[in-house]
Amino acid sequence: GAGVSQSPSNKVTEKGKDVELRCDPISGHTALYWYRQSLGQGLEFLIYFQGNSAPDKSGLPSDRFSAERTGGSVSTLTIQRTQQEDSAVYLCASSPARVPYEQYFGPGTRLTVT
Amino acid sequence: AQSVTQLDSQVPVFEEAPVELRCNYSSSVSVYLFWYVQYPNQGLQLLLKYLSGSTLVKGINGFEAEFNKSQTSFHLRKPSVHISDTAEYFCAVTNDAFNDYKLSFGAGTTVTVRA
Repeated sequence: GAGVSQSPSNKVTEKGKDVELRCDPISGHTALYWYRQSLGQGLEFLIYFQGNSAPDKSGLPSDRFSAERTGGSVSTLTIQRTQQEDSAVYLCASSPARVPYEQYFGPGTRLTVT
Repeated sequence: AQSVTQLDSQVPVFEEAPVELRCNYSSSVSVYLFWYVQYPNQGLQLLLKYLSGSTLVKGINGFEAEFNKSQTSFHLRKPSVHISDTAEYFCAVTNDAFNDYKLSFGAGTTVTVRA
């Protein structure tokens, strides 16, 4: 079946612009996670969704970052007023209710802020 | 809080030789442990996981790992590597905190297999 998909695969933006990154989880998966992979920081957790609610936003690095999930499916990560330090690969993962600790990752969106 | 340390950042190895990637973790509660592999320009793929029970777990592509609670380690091994095993490997840990299974990752180990 289809895996986790993310779009766009690559995004180049100018400093100060807003960007939206999209994640389509595996159908029926109830949990969704966003992570960031950068050279200096490695892989970091950003936010966790259970259904449409986000009980854990502890990893969002600043109030410029926000995310939502609609219909218990698609999620959008928005970064406002992008900075060069936001350049990274943003990874999305989803997991099914019956095996909630097993996360399936998408290919990621590579964001470059110039 | 939990953290993961991968002791080797780069591991060069010859084809058909064995490889071991070391991982230590710290946590004040029971954890679930994972190894993920990331091939160039791809996402993360689960290799294997330890949840409970037998401390030796087997995964895909001939990999296995051993959980050692007293050493707080979860080292990954493969007895004979192939060129196609060239990738970055991540050790990760989570615990069940109100169904929030966010992962804490190690810094990664780059394995380069040479003919």
